Parts: sequence; structure tokens; C-alpha cells
Amino acid sequence: EIVLTQSPGTLSLSPGERATLSCRASQSVSSSYLAWYQQKPGQAPRLLIYGASSRATGIPDRFSGSGSGTDFTLTISRLEPEDFAVYYCQQYGSSPATFGQGTKLEIK
Amino acid sequence: QVQLVESGGGLVKPGGSLRLSCAASGFTFSDYYMSWIRQAPGKGLEWVSYISSSGSTIYYADSVKGRFTISRDNAKNSLYLQMNSLRAEDTAVYYCARDGYGVDYWGQGTLVTVSS
Repeated sequence: EIVLTQSPGTLSLSPGERATLSCRASQSVSSSYLAWYQQKPGQAPRLLIYGASSRATGIPDRFSGSGSGTDFTLTISRLEPEDFAVYYCQQYGSSPATFGQGTKLEIK
Repeated sequence: QVQLVESGGGLVKPGGSLRLSCAASGFTFSDYYMSWIRQAPGKGLEWVSYISSSGSTIYYADSVKGRFTISRDNAKNSLYLQMNSLRAEDTAVYYCARDGYGVDYWGQGTLVTVSS
């Protein structure tokens, strides 16, 4: 099973700042089958990024993903108030699919 | 538009059983792999099981193997999760999910509480 470790656990930033979230895998993720999700309290997760760097339908271009192999990054270029939430990475290239433990992005 | 609507959650005693259902609409259900993913209160996401579009390929997390059974009825556009021998640690919101590139659609979730 591929273990995903996200860092930091909590990130405190202000609106307008840039956010950089990290996801490290215990072994190489097949074909960059790495996704990022956003989850707000009381809601289901929402797909932001798939294939490590492709934005899902309707996702603003301030969200971008990068990386390959074992190291992946989600960047939010300029934080909007609605971006403060919990973010999860997931690898879906190997069974079982696994999630990282999440990064909470909070308002500073 | 794509909709996934779960039902069947509730309160059950340890050792009991529940059957979750997911009604899908807005897409060709028989074209997609489907998954169940759960989230314990205040915790992260845990993938539980997936089933291929035809139902011929099934995979379970080790934590539920031998206790849970996933199935689908493509004629009824429905996904199911039969949960037996439930434990306190199975308490969670259970999401029905469509597997595209990543999980591209999620249901609203149904809460399963295992408690005496």
C-alpha cells in the first residue's frame, strides 16, 4: 500500500497570499495518478486536480498541481476567503487507492 | 447533471448489519467504476471498496475485507454496500463516489453509527 504524507498539517495564511501544500508518497505513484481534493465542513470533498496537474471542470486557475514520482505539490496562487478548507491528496494508480491525512488551510 | 444519492445509514449495534444504497443519475452508470469512501467523525478519508463497470472486478480495503460486500445493478443505476459484523470503528459518513480521473463526483454521504 502506498502511504501518502501531507505537510504541513496546518497552514495559516491570509487572503491574497500564496499557499503551497505538499504530498509525499512512500513509493512512486504510477503514471502520476495523483489527485487533490478540497473539503469544507459538512460537505463532501470536491475534486480540484487529477493526473497531478490537470484542473477538474470548473476549478479556478489559481489552483495548480505539479510533481511526479513521489513528490507532489498543490499551489493556490492568491488565496480567496472561500479557499480556507481541508485539502487531501490521493493516489489512484495502485490498489488500494490511498489518501493523505489532510492539510488544514486556516485564516491567519 | 451527475447526482449520487446515498441512503440506508443509521444506528446499529456492534455485530449488526446495514445495507447502503446509492442511486446514480445524470450519466451512463454502466460506463464507470464506482467506489465507497468513508470518513470517521473528525478524521480523514478512507477508501473502502471499488467495483468495475461490469462488476467483474472488486477490491476491498483490508479493514473491511470479509465483512463488507460491494455490488451494483446497472439496470437500476444503483450501487450497494452490504455491511456485516459491524464494529465501533466502522462509524463514519459513507460516500458513494464515481471513479473517473480521480473521484470526480461524490454523493452527500450517509452516516453510519455503530454503538450499543
